[in-house]
Amino acid sequence: KAGVTQTPRYLIKTRGQQVTLSCSPISGHRSVSWYQQTPGQGLQFLFEYFSETQRNKGNFPGRFSGRQFSNSRSEMNVSTLELGDSALYLCASSSEGDQPQHFGDGTRLSIL
Amino acid sequence: GIQVEQSPPDLILQEGANSTLRCNFSDSVNNLQWFHQNPWGQLINLFYIPSGTKQNGRLSATTVATERYSLLYISSSQTTDSGVYFCAVRHGQNFVFGPGTRLSVLP
Repeated sequence: KAGVTQTPRYLIKTRGQQVTLSCSPISGHRSVSWYQQTPGQGLQFLFEYFSETQRNKGNFPGRFSGRQFSNSRSEMNVSTLELGDSALYLCASSSEGDQPQHFGDGTRLSIL
Repeated sequence: GIQVEQSPPDLILQEGANSTLRCNFSDSVNNLQWFHQNPWGQLINLFYIPSGTKQNGRLSATTVATERYSLLYISSSQTTDSGVYFCAVRHGQNFVFGPGTRLSVLP
């Protein structure tokens, strides 16, 4: 069974640009969650999607948005990039809310 | 919101030594997981353990949900065990990570 796949693995952008990250969950998993990891703030929850609906959202500005498609694949978009958005973005999938989360390898985003 | 604490923050061991990592949480949880983040940033599932005790090779974990803590035991540590160990809990709809324990195993 293939694991969680995140693309791209690395990305370099400049301030003011926007970026879209992709996450393909484990087959059969309907819940996809996104996290931001920075040295200063640790691992912080961004949002969770389940069956194409955003079920939960962390404390991030509206520049961070996401969506989930009917095949459970999810995308995360960050607009008007800031230097502080440089981070490792991790996606996790699970079959249902209380079941174990399985993480992808992440997308490392650098803002110049 | 729920608070998740981990101790110690840093740990240095000689290869072959044993260690215990602790995770405390401030409220009841629906699930608890332990992860190992390797130097390349990959988060590896170690245990899904909302309660009870589980073992997997040299690693074992115990969660005492009524007392709001979980322990991760690493026996006969190896250099490949180095990295950051996170516990994470689901509280309602939120999945919250602790700050991690950074483990360095020296040869």
